[in-house]
Amino acid sequence: AQTVTQSQPEMSVQEAETVTLSCTYDTSESDYYLFWYKQPPSRQMILVIRQEAYKQQNATENRFSVNFQKAAKSFSLKISDSQLGDAAMYFCAYRSRGGSQGNLIFGKGTKLSVKP
Amino acid sequence: DVKVTQSSRYLVKRTGEKVFLECVQDMDHENMFWYRQDPGLGLRLIYFSYDVKMKEKGDIPEGYSVSREKKERFSLILESASTNQTSMYLCASWSGTTLYNEQFFGPGTRLTVL
Repeated sequence: AQTVTQSQPEMSVQEAETVTLSCTYDTSESDYYLFWYKQPPSRQMILVIRQEAYKQQNATENRFSVNFQKAAKSFSLKISDSQLGDAAMYFCAYRSRGGSQGNLIFGKGTKLSVKP
Repeated sequence: DVKVTQSSRYLVKRTGEKVFLECVQDMDHENMFWYRQDPGLGLRLIYFSYDVKMKEKGDIPEGYSVSREKKERFSLILESASTNQTSMYLCASWSGTTLYNEQFFGPGTRLTVL
């Protein structure tokens, strides 16, 4: 069974600085999908960024980018120019390509604080 | 604007009560999910449904059941609530058309069982 590990329960960053959140996963599959979700204090989970495993190029969405290292099974999230509104829980998630009806397997989350 | 709504933001129930958590999506999605979120444990899948009247157990189905009578609505039922079911419950939906698509989440229901 696949597992997702987020080794940093809490992180802190200064406003306007850059922070990287770690995510590793365990799988025997070669094709899969990876996601980062953000859950602010309002509790509404929203998608931040996603990556298809067969794509070599790292995904980027404005200030958010990933460092996808397939061989190392690592999928870290980099937030550049951090803003106060980036303070939230961040969850890394894995989706298998086959037989799972689209289920996501989540890590335990990283709580990001942004200091003004 | 896509939307997943949940019937209550906060709910307080007593031990032994039957509890219904309702989730409605307006995106015509085939697939719907119920998760439980606890500090330090992340999101754990309770049940999911890939079609009306179809359901499958997730990782932690014990003590829960679900109902999906209409495509847009997916209910989570606690037959006899217990204090260890005090938690945040999140509903999500997914179109199923491509695995690249995200799941859309509701705002969550924080349930307290006394």
